[in-house]
Amino acid sequence: KQEVTQIPAALSVPEGENLVLNCSFTDSAIYNLQWFRQDPGKGLTSLLLIQSSQREQTSGRLNASLDKSSGRSTLYIAASQPGDSATYLCAVTNFGNEKLTFGTGTRLTIIP
Amino acid sequence: NAGVMQNPRHLVRRRGQEARLRCSPVKGHSHVYWYRQLPEEGLKFMVYLQKENIIDESGMPKERFSAEFPKEGPSILRIQQVVRGDSAAYFCASSPAGPPFPYEQYFGPGTRLTVT
Repeated sequence: KQEVTQIPAALSVPEGENLVLNCSFTDSAIYNLQWFRQDPGKGLTSLLLIQSSQREQTSGRLNASLDKSSGRSTLYIAASQPGDSATYLCAVTNFGNEKLTFGTGTRLTIIP
Repeated sequence: NAGVMQNPRHLVRRRGQEARLRCSPVKGHSHVYWYRQLPEEGLKFMVYLQKENIIDESGMPKERFSAEFPKEGPSILRIQQVVRGDSAAYFCASSPAGPPFPYEQYFGPGTRLTVT
């Protein structure tokens, strides 16, 4: 059974700093990994999707890496801004199974 | 282009009533997924449907919950005889294709169900 863990559960950093969010998964037979953002009381916004054959994806100030063999992914946010404050979720899809298995998220607060 | 649409956005039901949650996928998407987010918990998969077929319902509670995705119209998640423990945010997602290449899932804004 796939389990996804995100550490830390909460993180506060001053505006302008670079930061890294971590995601680990127990079953390395994944098809892809997605990073999402969720604002309080809102839905999910997809940030990046990494296929299992890829090692990283970039979008603007965001960079996600994937190390399938060690069961880890990181989301790097450069030059953080107060608008980046949200809960960040990672989720994986396993081969032969289309459902997403989510981590419990990291609640990020950027301090102005 | 409209994304995934869910209605209602907020739903209040008394214990014992029925709740119907609707999801219209992205135009052209034929695969729909339902997830539930209980208070202070992560999102959990409930069910995966294609047009007129339930593909995987391994996350659905055995009783009171059902889902459908008819040939025409939105997908419906139905909860009969709701209890307070059903209070949660229910999210729908859609994708353009399923196996052997599960594509990116696009999420709707969710329906927040409150059972009083």
